[in-house]
Amino acid sequence: GAVVSQHPSWVICKSGTSVKIECRSLDFQATTMFWYRQFPKQSLMLMATSNEGSKATYEQGVEKDKFLINHASLTLSTLTVTSAHPEDSSFYICSANPGVNTEAFFGQGTRLTVV
Amino acid sequence: GNSVTQMEGPVTLSEEAFLTINCTYTATGYPSLFWYVQYPGEGLQLLLKATKADDKGSNKGFEATYRKETTSFHLEKGSVQVSDSAVYFCAPPCVTGANSKLTFGKGITLSVRP
Repeated sequence: GAVVSQHPSWVICKSGTSVKIECRSLDFQATTMFWYRQFPKQSLMLMATSNEGSKATYEQGVEKDKFLINHASLTLSTLTVTSAHPEDSSFYICSANPGVNTEAFFGQGTRLTVV
Repeated sequence: GNSVTQMEGPVTLSEEAFLTINCTYTATGYPSLFWYVQYPGEGLQLLLKATKADDKGSNKGFEATYRKETTSFHLEKGSVQVSDSAVYFCAPPCVTGANSKLTFGKGITLSVRP
């Protein structure tokens, strides 16, 4: 099946620093990728839709200046958590679909801990 | 738009018990339907899917039938194991076209006791 690789798998950073998370589709091109956030014992929450070559589409309540998304190529989308604070600590997951009406493939997720 | 309604959790069963997790959907047309599973400490992975009405998806002893008359896609397993303990998500149908956005429900946590 298709592979989506996410890096890093975990990161711990001091409050106030910016953290970049990468999401790559390894064997297919993805004009669209999706970024989710998951709090402990809760479901995935869609944060934004990353669009190759154009601006990302953010869900209501998600701060675009806080969570910067760049989809520079057909195989790479990055999520940057700017000036991270402890409340940003969470599990971040990306996904992409290799084709029309196909299942989503997820990255391994990134555990962000801000101290 | 497309959406799903998933039964409330959590669910606790004894090993070898029968499992049913309900999921109903609303959709335009008959797009594919999916169940995803998240094992402890891991990311999401596809458990099974059905691509058309009356289709049955199956994997690891789990089954779900795409029933258009009841707009349901209930997940079933005849005899659960401790290793089935996980969170299960019924994903809404993917929208047709070049982009597919999945918005997940709360998921159901299944705990299987030995």
